[in-house]
Amino acid sequence: AQKITQTQPGMFVQEKEAVTLDCTYDTSDQSYGLFWYKQPSSGEMIFLIYQGSYDEQNATEGRYSLNFQKARKSANLVISASQLGDSAMYFCAMRLGSARQLTFGSGTQLTVLP
Amino acid sequence: DVKVTQSSRYLVKRTGEKVFLECVQDMDHENMFWYRQDPGLGLRLIYFSYDVKMKEKGDIPEGYSVSREKKERFSLILESASTNQTSMYLCASQQGNQPQHFGDGTRLSIL
Repeated sequence: AQKITQTQPGMFVQEKEAVTLDCTYDTSDQSYGLFWYKQPSSGEMIFLIYQGSYDEQNATEGRYSLNFQKARKSANLVISASQLGDSAMYFCAMRLGSARQLTFGSGTQLTVLP
Repeated sequence: DVKVTQSSRYLVKRTGEKVFLECVQDMDHENMFWYRQDPGLGLRLIYFSYDVKMKEKGDIPEGYSVSREKKERFSLILESASTNQTSMYLCASQQGNQPQHFGDGTRLSIL
């Protein structure tokens, strides 16, 4: 069965600095997709970035980039130039092949300090 | 933009009550999902549906049932609510290879 591990329950970062949130995954499938979501204190889940297992380039979306290391089975989220509004819970998730459902990690609570 | 609407942000019910959580999406998505979110556990899939009247169990279906009579609406039912079902419930919809889009969540307390 697939599994997502986020080992950092909480992280702190100074405003304007970069931060890396860790995510490792476990699957024997060759085809899968990795997602990152942000959940502010208000509760809604916001999709940030996606990486497919066959994508050769690391995904980027504005200040978000995904450091995808397939051999290590890691898909870390990098947030550049942190802002106070980045304070939130961040979830890594995986979808296998043509499956519809996602498997989520336990999340990392990021706090950006002024 | 996809809009996923959950009927209540906060809900308080008593043990033994039958509880309905409603979710509506406006983008004609085939797939809809119900998760519960608990501290330290992330989101866990309860049920999902890939078409009207079609459903599949997720990782934690015990104590729950679902209904999808119309494509845009997916209901989660707690047949006889118990205190261990106090949680945050999140609904999502999705189409093809696109990301799942989530509602704002319902914080359910069972007293």
